[in-house]
Amino acid sequence: KQEVTQIPAALSVPEGENLVLNCSFTDSAIYNLQWFRQDPGKGLTSLLLIQSSQREQTSGRLNASLDKSSGRSTLYIAASQPGDSATYLCAVRGAGGTSYGKLTFGQGTILTVHP
Amino acid sequence: DTGVSQDPRHKITKRGQNVTFRCDPISEHNRLYWYRQTLGQGPEFLTYFQNEAQLEKSRLLSDRFSAERPKGSFSTLEIQRTEQGDSAMYLCASSAGGDVGEKLFFGSGTQLSVL
Repeated sequence: KQEVTQIPAALSVPEGENLVLNCSFTDSAIYNLQWFRQDPGKGLTSLLLIQSSQREQTSGRLNASLDKSSGRSTLYIAASQPGDSATYLCAVRGAGGTSYGKLTFGQGTILTVHP
Repeated sequence: DTGVSQDPRHKITKRGQNVTFRCDPISEHNRLYWYRQTLGQGPEFLTYFQNEAQLEKSRLLSDRFSAERPKGSFSTLEIQRTEQGDSAMYLCASSAGGDVGEKLFFGSGTQLSVL
């Protein structure tokens, strides 16, 4: 059974800092990994998707890396802003069979960026 | 493209009542997913459709839960004889399919409170 863990559970930083969120997963047989952002009481917004054959993806101030063999991913946020405050979730898609349609999520990292 | 739409946004019901939620996916997406999220946790997979076919169901989906997607368009999730443990955010997502690397696009969710 796939398990996804995110560390830290919560993070509070001053504006302008660079920060790293961590995600680990127990079963390396994945098709891809996605990072999502969730604002309070809202749905999820996809930030980055990394295919299992890729090492990293970048979008603006965000960079996500994937080390499938070790079961780890990191989300790097450069020059953080108060508007980045949200819960960040990582999710992996299993590699076929009964896991195909299913994303397994971590519990999230609650990020607060204060001015 | 108006995104994934869910209705209602909030539902308060008494234990033992039946409730039904609706999800309208992005129009060209043939895959539709239902997830459930409780406070402080990541979303948990419930079920997944490709067009009108329900291809995968989680063990979380007890016999009180039923999901349909007639004609491969909108989907409904019904919970019969609600219990307090059913209180959660119910999230719907859709994707374009045809490529295991596709991103999931989530709706804003339906928040269910069972009194």
